[in-house]
Amino acid sequence: SAVISQKPSRDICQRGTSLTIQCQVDSQVTMMFWYRQQPGQSLTLIATANQGSEATYESGFVIDKFPISRPNLTFSTLTVSNMSPEDSSIYLCSVEGVVGYTFGSGTRLTVV
Amino acid sequence: TQLLEQSPQFLSIQEGENLTVYCNSSSVFSSLQWYRQEPGEGPVLLVTVVTGGEVKKLKRLTFQFGDARKDSSLHITAAQPGDTGLYLCAGASNYQLIWGAGTKLIIKP
Repeated sequence: SAVISQKPSRDICQRGTSLTIQCQVDSQVTMMFWYRQQPGQSLTLIATANQGSEATYESGFVIDKFPISRPNLTFSTLTVSNMSPEDSSIYLCSVEGVVGYTFGSGTRLTVV
Repeated sequence: TQLLEQSPQFLSIQEGENLTVYCNSSSVFSSLQWYRQEPGEGPVLLVTVVTGGEVKKLKRLTFQFGDARKDSSLHITAAQPGDTGLYLCAGASNYQLIWGAGTKLIIKP
């Protein structure tokens, strides 16, 4: 299965600033997925990122707030823009394998 | 809207006890995946069940997919502290992945 390197692993940010999260995959993948997770809770899909096209956002998430880049088949970034304390969460990237999904180790974001 | 109800949401038991986690839906899934997540890490795939009635075993963990492919269970025999973590089920349907709410499991030594 694919190996994903996600960074940063954690950050504490001031409200009103932006943070960009990076995910590097060790193999080429068509789609990459970005999730948000409150500690100890389930996953909420933010968007699906395809290389060469605009990301597809789920209900409740918009491109202006969570812009995504997908410059090639092994890399993607998610930016959390104009952050507020409500954006404090764990952000995860994921790719689909043959029998299931592989996840990055997550970015724990705290907005103060 | 497709839902996948996972229960219990929290379970704290002594080492050596058995436990079962359930995921139920009114929808049919093409497959059902189980993940375990530890603090500071992403979810890790434990197993995928595809066929109705399928049973898969992973050491002390037994996974079952319902005959109608609408529900699944995870049974752990003789739980150990190393089993502690967040367990998540996810059903695949129509190119979507529907997630259960998660079960936070604590095994006390």
